[in-house]
Amino acid sequence: EVQLVESGGGLVQPGGSLRLSCAASGFTFSSYWMTWVRQAPGKGLEWVANIKRDGSEKHYVDSVKGRFTISRDNAKNSLFLQMDSLRAEDTALYFCAREGYNRGYSTFDFWGQGTLVTVSS
Amino acid sequence: DIQMTQSPSSLSASVGDRVTITCRASQSISNYLNWYQQKPGEAPKFLIYAASSLQSGVPSRFSGSGSGTDFTLTISSLQPEDFATYYCQQSYSTPRTFGQGTKVEIK
Repeated sequence: EVQLVESGGGLVQPGGSLRLSCAASGFTFSSYWMTWVRQAPGKGLEWVANIKRDGSEKHYVDSVKGRFTISRDNAKNSLFLQMDSLRAEDTALYFCAREGYNRGYSTFDFWGQGTLVTVSS
Repeated sequence: DIQMTQSPSSLSASVGDRVTITCRASQSISNYLNWYQQKPGEAPKFLIYAASSLQSGVPSRFSGSGSGTDFTLTISSLQPEDFATYYCQQSYSTPRTFGQGTKVEIK
């Protein structure tokens, strides 16, 4: 059974840092792109970043470029999101998701339950 | 970046109703369009890929159509468990953008 479990969220002051983790199990982690998606309270879904199977390629939404860094440790089946220079608008539930491919089409086929990040003084 | 626009933002419907949600892309995305369902307090659930292909285990009352810039998600006969928020998402290019969501509520 595929499982994704996020951790590391919490309350942080503006300008602070947090490191989110996502522990994966039930599939060959190194064979999949992985993604972070966030959802501000009462709002919709926003794609944040993704990373290639071997970590050699990374992409970010413009609003987090230069502040967030996505990484992975395939030996430990783990995905990370280092978040620096946090702003109030980064407050959200952060989901990690597996990016699967059905007949060549990319999909977010499995999701974790999310970890809440609150940026406030 | 490709912008995804859903309509309506919300709708009220009764059990048994046929429901249609529209998603429009700001440029052609061929059929690189996915649909997700999210219930309160839960993670999104993947429903449809390639605009019209049902994920395994998704009830056949769900269907998707469209290509290019205009897409639809249809629920042929709304069931109590279908009251949720639905999101479209393009997988044509990065960043992978979502629509703003359509909340389906009980009339």
